[in-house]
Amino acid sequence: NAGVTQTPKFQVLKTGQSMTLQCAQDMNHEYMSWYRQDPGMGLRLIHYSVGAGITDQGEVPNGYNVSRSTTEDFPLRLLSAAPSQTSVYFCASSYSRGNEQYFGPGTRLTVT
Amino acid sequence: AQTVTQSQPEMSVQEAETVTLSCTYDTSESDYYLFWYKQPPSRQMILVIRQEAYKQQNATENRFSVNFQKAAKSFSLKISDSQLGDAAMYFCAYRSAISGTYKYIFGTGTRLKVLA
Repeated sequence: NAGVTQTPKFQVLKTGQSMTLQCAQDMNHEYMSWYRQDPGMGLRLIHYSVGAGITDQGEVPNGYNVSRSTTEDFPLRLLSAAPSQTSVYFCASSYSRGNEQYFGPGTRLTVT
Repeated sequence: AQTVTQSQPEMSVQEAETVTLSCTYDTSESDYYLFWYKQPPSRQMILVIRQEAYKQQNATENRFSVNFQKAAKSFSLKISDSQLGDAAMYFCAYRSAISGTYKYIFGTGTRLKVLA
């Protein structure tokens, strides 16, 4: 049982480049979400999914796309990276709304 | 809109002593969940404790306990017998229980230092 896995752990992009942050969980959780963590701002919800084929926007969705074709995977896409997207990104999953979220190890992204 | 406030950016505690981290929140909802998460230097987010708003009894997990005051919208975390491994960032989080919503709001965190 690997829990929530994220790849890559570190990434440097140039402005305008695109990339996909991968997230997978093997706990058969319906709920999955993406957060970004910036100094002094806690974690902010980017996008979330309540099941395969169902996604919705969180607090800070601009510049990011998501899809959920399977229960296990929830990739986050940056279509045209900007320096403002420099952050640490966390993927999380939970069995239901009220249950704890299990977090991945995070991806540190730097956009130059 | 809901907000979560952690007014203590940093706290220090002597090893074996007790420390309380504060968290206040604002909501018009009556049913919700509250969480404390720990983030050590490894960056991994770990659940410390969870409280359901409809339960008046304060949650406890070993050395960790909460003081949940629903009317005051306060959710403080008490760490007893502090250990060096407790040094971390601690985040308070609010989760709406309303069906069809997915509001999960984190505070800005409190950095806890444990002094040997």
